[in-house]
Amino acid sequence: QQQVKQSPQSLIVQKGGISIINCAYENTAFDYFPWYQQFPGKGPALLIAIRPDVSEKKEGRFTISFNKSAKQFSLHIMDSQPGDSATYFCAARALSGGYQKVTFGTGTKLQVIP
Amino acid sequence: DVKVTQSSRYLVKRTGEKVFLECVQDMDHENMFWYRQDPGLGLRLIYFSYDVKMKEKGDIPEGYSVSREKKERFSLILESASTNQTSMYLCASTQYVQPQHFGDGTRLSIL
Repeated sequence: QQQVKQSPQSLIVQKGGISIINCAYENTAFDYFPWYQQFPGKGPALLIAIRPDVSEKKEGRFTISFNKSAKQFSLHIMDSQPGDSATYFCAARALSGGYQKVTFGTGTKLQVIP
Repeated sequence: DVKVTQSSRYLVKRTGEKVFLECVQDMDHENMFWYRQDPGLGLRLIYFSYDVKMKEKGDIPEGYSVSREKKERFSLILESASTNQTSMYLCASTQYVQPQHFGDGTRLSIL
């Protein structure tokens, strides 16, 4: 049961272009939506995150757009650089008692070509 | 800076062996997690622990068990390794509402 659907599976963008990755969720109990970036040989690292009461969050070249009514959110990478080449995971978190449970999307492998 | 250390980067074991994967965090986090990462499937939660000696099943616990005897250490155990358990295993830790911090993973091959 895939509760967070992510697309596309892979993406090739030219340097300077905009990379867009989309995610959709089903569970309305999710309260926090992080994006993780993973380089080869490394674990995922938190890139940017948003709460559902905000429609957009920007940090440098990275922006999350959030549509609560559609249960969709997306990551935009402006002015994409070769150093942005990595795998990106969207995720959604639910809190329960004394712990959290995070559901991850299936990942998008981004390649930025010079 | 939070540090989550997984004891092995690469591990090769044989079918039927009992396999231990170790994870240590240095931030006194209460919550620790084990995931496996497979191409096209993302990260799937195997087990998590919200306190010492406490454990909860995740989405794919079959064939695995865990141990948390000390707060900083969380072990994943493959009771009798099988080839379908060949994967990348990731450990993470967090303090309740904070984002999860991941180790760099253990790539496990079962022959």
